[in-house]
Parts: sequence; structure tokens; C-alpha cells
Amino acid sequence: KQEVTQIPAALSVPEGENLVLNCSFTDSAIYNLQWFRQDPGKGLTSLLLIQSSQREQTSGRLNASLDKSSGRSTLYIAASQPGDSATYLCAVINTGGFKTIFGAGTRLFVKA
Amino acid sequence: NAGVMQNPRHLVRRRGQEARLRCSPMKGHSHVYWYRQLPEEGLKFMVYLQKENIIDESGMPKERFSAEFPKEGPSILRIQQVVRGDSAAYFCASSPLSRKSSYNEQFFGPGTRLTVL
Repeated sequence: KQEVTQIPAALSVPEGENLVLNCSFTDSAIYNLQWFRQDPGKGLTSLLLIQSSQREQTSGRLNASLDKSSGRSTLYIAASQPGDSATYLCAVINTGGFKTIFGAGTRLFVKA
Repeated sequence: NAGVMQNPRHLVRRRGQEARLRCSPMKGHSHVYWYRQLPEEGLKFMVYLQKENIIDESGMPKERFSAEFPKEGPSILRIQQVVRGDSAAYFCASSPLSRKSSYNEQFFGPGTRLTVL
């Protein structure tokens, strides 16, 4: 049974810091992994999608890596800004099915 | 290209009533997912549908919950005889995924917040 864990559960950093959010999954037979951001009371915004054959994806100040063999992904945020404050969610889809498993998220607060 | 649309955004029901949640996928997307987010918890997969087919409903409660995605019109998540424990945010996502495609990014709607009194 696939389980997705995100560490830390919450993080507070001063503006300008580079930071890393971690996601681990127990079953390496994944189809892809997707990172989302969720603002309070809002829906999810897709940030990056990494296919199982890929090692990383980049978009602006965001970089996500994937290591299937170790069951880990990281989301790197460069030069953090107060507007980055949100909950960041990691989700995987297993091969052989389409059920998406979400982690509980990391709540990020960037102080001005 | 409008994003995924969900309505209503907020829904209040009394115990025992029925709740109907609608989701219109992005244009060109024929695959829909429903998720539930309980207060202070993560998103839980409920069901994955293609047009006129339920592909994976392993996350759906066995009773009172049903979902459909007809050939025409939005996808509907239906909850019969609602109870207080059904109060949650229900999110819909769509993707252009086909069985032959490796590109299956999910795009989420704003959610419907159901409150059961």
C-alpha cells in the first residue's frame, strides 16, 4: 500500500532563504509525482509534474527532483518570498492504476 | 481556456438531505478525479472517471456516495442522506490523460465546501 510522507509538517523561514521540502513514498512503482500548492480555503495549484522516467523539473524559482529507487522527492524553493506562504502538497500516482495518493503537506510561512 | 469549474462553491445541507456537487473539466479533458479534504487533513482520493465510465472507485465510501460522468454535461458527485461527518471540502481535478499518453497532469477546481448541519 502506497504511503506518502512529507517532512517537515510546518516550516517558518525569513524572506530570501533557500529551502527544501521533502516527500517520501513507500512504493517505488510510481507513474508520476506532482507537487501542488494550496492557499487557505482555496483549491490546488499545480507546480511541477515529474514523470517516472525523469529526474527533475524546474519552473522559475522552483526545482523538484525525483529519486524513485530511494522513494524520495524534494521541492527546492530559491530566494523565498512572503507570497510563497502556503501549504505544499506532494502526490504520486502508482503504475497499474490511477489512484492519486497525497501527502499531508508542509505548511510554509515566509516572514517579511 | 477556462479552468476546472465546480459548483456550488459552498453548500449547506441538513442531516438526511442529498448533496449534489458538480464538476466541469477543462476543455479537452475527458478524465475526472474527485477528492475529499476533511478539516485539518490531507486530500483523499475518492473516484476516477472517464466519460460514461468509472475507472477506479476504491476511495469511495460503500454507501450513500456515487459519482457519474455522463457523455454530456458535468461530472456529478452525489451524497445521499448526508451526515455531519460528510462536512468537508470536495475537490475535482481533470486531466487530458489517455491510456496511450504519458502526460497526465491534474488540474484542480476551487472545490465545494459542504457543511452538514
